[in-house]
Parts: sequence; C-alpha cells; structure tokens
Amino acid sequence: EADIYQTPRYLVIGTGKKITLECSQTMGHDKMYWYQQDPGMELHLIHYSYGVNSTEKGDLSSESTVSRIRTEHFPLTLESARPSHTSQYLCASSEPGYQETQYFGPGTRLLVL
Amino acid sequence: DQQVKQNSPSLSVQEGRISILNCDYTNSMFDYFLWYKKYPAEGPTFLISISSIKDKNEDGRFTVFLNKSAKHLSLHIVPSQPGDSAVYFCAAPSIIGANNLFFGTGTRLTVIP
Repeated sequence: EADIYQTPRYLVIGTGKKITLECSQTMGHDKMYWYQQDPGMELHLIHYSYGVNSTEKGDLSSESTVSRIRTEHFPLTLESARPSHTSQYLCASSEPGYQETQYFGPGTRLLVL
Repeated sequence: DQQVKQNSPSLSVQEGRISILNCDYTNSMFDYFLWYKKYPAEGPTFLISISSIKDKNEDGRFTVFLNKSAKHLSLHIVPSQPGDSAVYFCAAPSIIGANNLFFGTGTRLTVIP
C-alpha cells in the first residue's frame, strides 16, 4: 500500500485567497507529480518533479506553482484562487526507472466560490 | 487529442459474473499500461499492469489482456464482487519527458448483488 498523503481532503474558499495543497510521501520516491481532474474527465498533469530543487510544468497549463525543498514534500500553491480552479487535485509519486508505477494520494477537492 | 480512450462510461454486471472493461490507445510507442481503480473522493489505486512484451497478466481475480496490433487492452474481473464497484481507469506512461500517465476518462463499474 502506498504511503502518500494529501491535506486538506476538502477545501471551500473564497475568490482571491491564497491556498497551499500539501502532499507528502514516506516511500523515498524521487519523482512526484500533481494531476488535476474535473468530474467525468481524464487526469491531466500540471506539475512534476524529478527530485529536490527540480520542478517542471506539465501538459495542462496551470496558474499554480510548486516547490520541492525536501524529497518527501511537494506542495502546490495558488496565489489567488478563482472559481475556474475548482477541481480535484491528485498528487502521485514513483521511483525513477523503466515502466514505473505511480502511486496516488487521496486527493484534495477544491471549491472556489 | 486523447491518447488513451475508454469508450464505455459505465458497465453493470451481476455479482459472480465476469466484468470486461475496455481501453484503446493511439500511440503505438506505448510499452506499458496500467489499470487503476478509483472510489469516490479517493485517489486512484494501482490495480494491475502489463508490459508490451506480454499479451496477458494475471493477478488473482484480475487479468489484463493486451492486443498490440489492435492497440487495445482489456481488464477482466472474475468473479465480480460488489466491492469492485468503482471507476476504472486505464493509463499509459508518456515515453518522453516526465513519464506522466495518460489516462482514459474511466468506466464506472457497478456490480449488482
């Protein structure tokens, strides 16, 4: 079973607020990912990291930013939340290698009013 | 352009019978495929994978079949149980860049007791 955690699980917040979604894993995985999923749609990659001090943008454009100061921690920040940011945000991690498996956290459901 | 497709949004099966979930892909370079199971308000849980060098992989009640010439894979669940009711996603890792997963839109399986 994967040990990857996300907080908060649910968040309702007003427009313009700054929010940080937390993601932590205890597996020592170097690679971490943030995906965004709208209801009934596929997951889209918004950020990824190969390791400490490495962050890259994914396929789906996002106004969020990420940081990777510690291997186990990969937080996502929205400086000014908008209703268009309402979605589910899923964090994942994997060991680097060929044909790796990604393990997901429980997700954060964000509602911006 | 969606590279992994699940054309059946939902499937209902009687308990004890076989569930067959289908997935098609467009990129012939994909060499690894995964199936994830997702309950509401939770993150995807890894279920089973298959490498393109195989055409079948079995794990307990779950078997994945790969037909490379048709760019098609399927997940068989035998016998189906009510606890299998969830949304099932097939996915394939990008062969370049982040190795992020391309997901289908999912098939909601309902196993009727």
